Amino acid sequence: EAGVAQSPRYKIIEKRQSVAFWCNPISGHATLYWYQQILGQGPKLLIQFQNNGVVDDSQLPKDRFSAERLKGVDSTLKIQPAKLEDSAVYLCASSIPSRLNTGELFFGEGSRLTVL
Amino acid sequence: GQSLEQPSEVTAVEGAIVQINCTYQTSGFYGLSWYQQHDGGAPTFLSYNALDGLEETGRFSSFLSRSDSYGYLLLQELQMKDSASYFCAVRDQWNTDKLIFGTGTRLQVFP
Repeated sequence: EAGVAQSPRYKIIEKRQSVAFWCNPISGHATLYWYQQILGQGPKLLIQFQNNGVVDDSQLPKDRFSAERLKGVDSTLKIQPAKLEDSAVYLCASSIPSRLNTGELFFGEGSRLTVL
Repeated sequence: GQSLEQPSEVTAVEGAIVQINCTYQTSGFYGLSWYQQHDGGAPTFLSYNALDGLEETGRFSSFLSRSDSYGYLLLQELQMKDSASYFCAVRDQWNTDKLIFGTGTRLQVFP
């Protein structure tokens, strides 16, 4: 079974520029998450989708971050304009109910963003 | 709110046993998960405890005490490849499909 795919793996931009990250979850996984992981910290949820609907975006800085999952499969996370404090790894994860019931998410390797 | 506390770093030698503790604060509890993350890698699921007691999976075991809001991950017969960060996580009381992660414990295994 193929895992969660993310791209790009690394991105360096200057502040005030924009960036987009792409995620392809495991086939058949209806629930998709974007987490932000700042160096030395645990992952923090930015947004959660169920199919193509948003379930939780309470911690998404909506003035600069946006995300979509138009067809209920792939997802894109965008930052515009980027700030220095957005430097982090952006992790995409997916899961299904039987695995969620035992606290299991499947993560991609992440996209590491450096804002200069 | 919900919060989880872990030691920031633990060191041990190959072949030893190490315990990584996690204390949590939450009004509604739905289970404690453990994840391993190597540098630059994806967090990977290790174990889950919903009820009190010990769950064993090979060299790794996880323990939960709901009355003490406490759990730990026990790693036995440590190997160099176990050097990684370990995170405990709880399911959010308002959205049980959302995981809230602790700050992580970095384990360094020395030869």
